[in-house]
Amino acid sequence: EVQLVESGGGLVQPGGSLRLSCATSGFTFNSYWMHWVRQAPGKGPVWVSRINSDGGNIIYADFVKGRFTISRDNAKNTLYLQMNSLRAEDTAVYSCARGHSSGYNLPGYWGQGTLVTVSP
Amino acid sequence: DIVMTQSPDSLAVSLGERATINCKSSQSVLYNSNNKNYLAWYQQKPGQPPKLLIYWASTRESGVPDRFSGSESGTDFTLTISSLQAEDVAVYYCQQYYVTPFTFGPGTKVDIK
Repeated sequence: EVQLVESGGGLVQPGGSLRLSCATSGFTFNSYWMHWVRQAPGKGPVWVSRINSDGGNIIYADFVKGRFTISRDNAKNTLYLQMNSLRAEDTAVYSCARGHSSGYNLPGYWGQGTLVTVSP
Repeated sequence: DIVMTQSPDSLAVSLGERATINCKSSQSVLYNSNNKNYLAWYQQKPGQPPKLLIYWASTRESGVPDRFSGSESGTDFTLTISSLQAEDVAVYYCQQYYVTPFTFGPGTKVDIK
């Protein structure tokens, strides 16, 4: 069974940092591209970032460029999102998603997510 | 950025009746090399992450009931639930994955009438 389990969320002050993790199991992690997607309370999903299978090809949404860094450890089957210079508008549930076999840019299977709250 | 719009914002349909959700992209999401539209549909129930229903505009994901279908006409896309079941109450989102940023529509809430 495919499992994606996010952790690392919590309450952080504006300007602070958090590192999110996404532990995976049930599939060959190093064969899949991975995404981070976020969803503010009561709002629709917003795509954040994508990393290819070996970590050599990374793209970000403009609103996180220079502040967030996506990475992966294929030996640990784990995806990461380092979040710096956090703002109130970054408050959201952050989910990792596995790229779909038909198209790696499609977030095909999502984890439950971890809540990040940015507030004084 | 490609802007995705959806209509209606919400709809209520009787059990067993048809539900139709529309999505429009501000520009083409058609990849000419394979003649496929890079358009997906997701279902999200309360407290759950989005679940992929349809990709390439009309290909049903494995395990998705065949009452869900997708269609396309240029930059207009439609998700149809042919016979609404109680478990289909959810918010439905379209998403383009043709170019970055991969943008989502605002969602359509489907309820039982």
